[in-house]
This record gives sequence, structure tokens and C-alpha cells, in this order.
Amino acid sequence: SQQGEEDPQALSIQEGENATMNCSYKTSINNLQWYRQNSGRGLVHLILIRSNEREKHSGRLRVTLDTSKKSSSLLITASRAADTASYFCATDLGTSYGKLTFGQGTILTVHP
Amino acid sequence: NAGVMQNPRHLVRRRGQEARLRCSPMKGHSHVYWYRQLPEEGLKFMVYLQKENIIDESGMPKERFSAEFPKEGPSILRIQQVVRGDSAAYFCASSPTGQSTDTQYFGPGTRLTVL
Repeated sequence: SQQGEEDPQALSIQEGENATMNCSYKTSINNLQWYRQNSGRGLVHLILIRSNEREKHSGRLRVTLDTSKKSSSLLITASRAADTASYFCATDLGTSYGKLTFGQGTILTVHP
Repeated sequence: NAGVMQNPRHLVRRRGQEARLRCSPMKGHSHVYWYRQLPEEGLKFMVYLQKENIIDESGMPKERFSAEFPKEGPSILRIQQVVRGDSAAYFCASSPTGQSTDTQYFGPGTRLTVL
């Protein structure tokens, strides 16, 4: 079984709608991060939430973390076509250094 | 301030050849991570290096794969005697302190195709 599993695997919405992606993990963590990957490109860091935080905002992004359920969600509000990408959550498996474990990602398609 | 650089961007090798992938971290970063991404999958951790030291290589296959980060120059991921299953995108990332709270900055990746 895999640490950091995203749900849904694919999401298709219209511009202006909100997109919610979920991530579950299995072991204790220090932090959870969300990254975006455009097709054929490297990953871009979006947001980091620490294990003692419950919610964090950055622009149109809202991340929640529930350590009791070992789950996190990423909400993108008022989506744009440019948000089309794959989104990954990554956890540190409780290590003090940045050994990240990624899920398989959610492919988000935003239609203009 | 240039980001993480990787070269080559695309590499084609025949079975049995060697592949050398290079990664130059962001200026001022001395912590480098290598990840592998198979098609339609997430990234898998391979190795974590500091200058001249391998800190964690638990994700590296036991044979044919090696990594280094010398005092001078880029980090190198070396794959000897490549096989078709090595075909993947290889990403490196760097961070300033190596702590889990760091943002990791990713390079554009090297796409290795083994014929």
C-alpha cells in the first residue's frame, strides 16, 4: 500500500468552479506538502502544512489537514484553465529531512 | 537566480549502455534529492545527498545505480547497463537546509528512454 494516495484520480470541471482533491497517508508525519506538475514539466511547490496546523491558505488555495484521519485536502477556488495540471501530495514519513513520499496524483482538467 | 538545472533534458540509450544524469542545485543549496517518475505515477524517492555525502539511499536499486554530489560540480546520477525498465523521468530537487520543512525546488527532469 502507498503513502499519500490522492482521490479522485482525475477531475474535470469548468472554469470558475472549485476543485477539491484529497490525500490520505498511513504513517505519522511532520509536514504535508502539495505540488503541481504541468505536463512534461518538473514539480512546483504550492503549499506546506505542518502537523500541528489544521488549515492554511495561499491565494486561491486552501489546504486542510486532519492528523486523526491521516488525510488532507486541497481546494482550488474559482479555477482557471491555467490550473490544469497534476496535483500531488507529499509527506515526509516523520523524517527530519526532506525525504518526500508522493502519491499518484490527481489529474485536474479545467475547461474554459 | 537560476533554478535547479538538469541535463540532458532527454536521453536515449540502448540496453547495456550507461546513462549519466546531471543536476545543478539552486545557488546556495547544498542538499540534493533524486526522484524517479514512471509514466502515470507519482515520484519515488531515490537518494538524498549533501556535498560529498550520501545521507539516505534507501530508494536506490541495489545494483547498477549510483549517485554522487562532489565538492565541486553538479550531482550525478549514474545508471550502468541500462534496461528498458529504467525508462522514466528522473527529477532532482534541492533545498537550502535539508529539513523536512524546506520547500524543495525541482528541476525540469531528464527523460530517459532505453531502446
